Amino acid sequence: QKEVEQNSGPLSVPEGAIASLNCTYSDRGSQSFFWYRQYSGKSPELIMSIYSNGDKEDGRFTAQLNKASQYVSLLIRDSQPSDSATYLCAAGVYSGGYQKVTFGTGTKLQVIP
Amino acid sequence: GAGVSQTPSNKVTEKGKYVELRCDPISGHTALYWYRQSLGQGPEFLIYFQGTGAADDSGLPNDRFFAVRPEGSVSTLKIQRTERGDSAVYLCASSLQDNYGYTFGSGTRLTVV
Repeated sequence: QKEVEQNSGPLSVPEGAIASLNCTYSDRGSQSFFWYRQYSGKSPELIMSIYSNGDKEDGRFTAQLNKASQYVSLLIRDSQPSDSATYLCAAGVYSGGYQKVTFGTGTKLQVIP
Repeated sequence: GAGVSQTPSNKVTEKGKYVELRCDPISGHTALYWYRQSLGQGPEFLIYFQGTGAADDSGLPNDRFFAVRPEGSVSTLKIQRTERGDSAVYLCASSLQDNYGYTFGSGTRLTVV
């Protein structure tokens, strides 16, 4: 079982719709959660971090965390073609005195104009 | 510098050769990480530095891989006797504190022929 699991997609949504990206993690000791966006051929870029249960909003992005269900999600409102990318979910666990971050394999999002 | 700088951006080497990959983190970031990303996969942890010391090198695949950060800033990942399976994008990231999200460099694409 992978430590951080994501559906590889592709997830296709029409322009202007809400894109919902989901992630589950296996280590209940995980304390920090991150979403990165990665355009094809580019490196990952941090877009959201969340540390406590509930929702965190930043512009068109909302991250949701449910530690009881070991579930993290990212909502993208008013999706734009420029949002088309692979979205990586990551979870951080404190081990050996520092936070070790494990990434999922990513979900490819396609926003159709 | 303004971002994490990695050189070279591309490296093609013959099987069995030695390579060095360089990472220059954001100024003031004490935490530095190396990850490796293969096509269609998420970044895979290799090694973490806090200052000059390797705090966690548990992700290094074998003893052909070694990394240093002698002055607590620039880091070099060294791979001896390269194998075709070492071909991947090697990503360096830094962060101000280890519970923050990372800033990734643009990566070094290593191809072993």
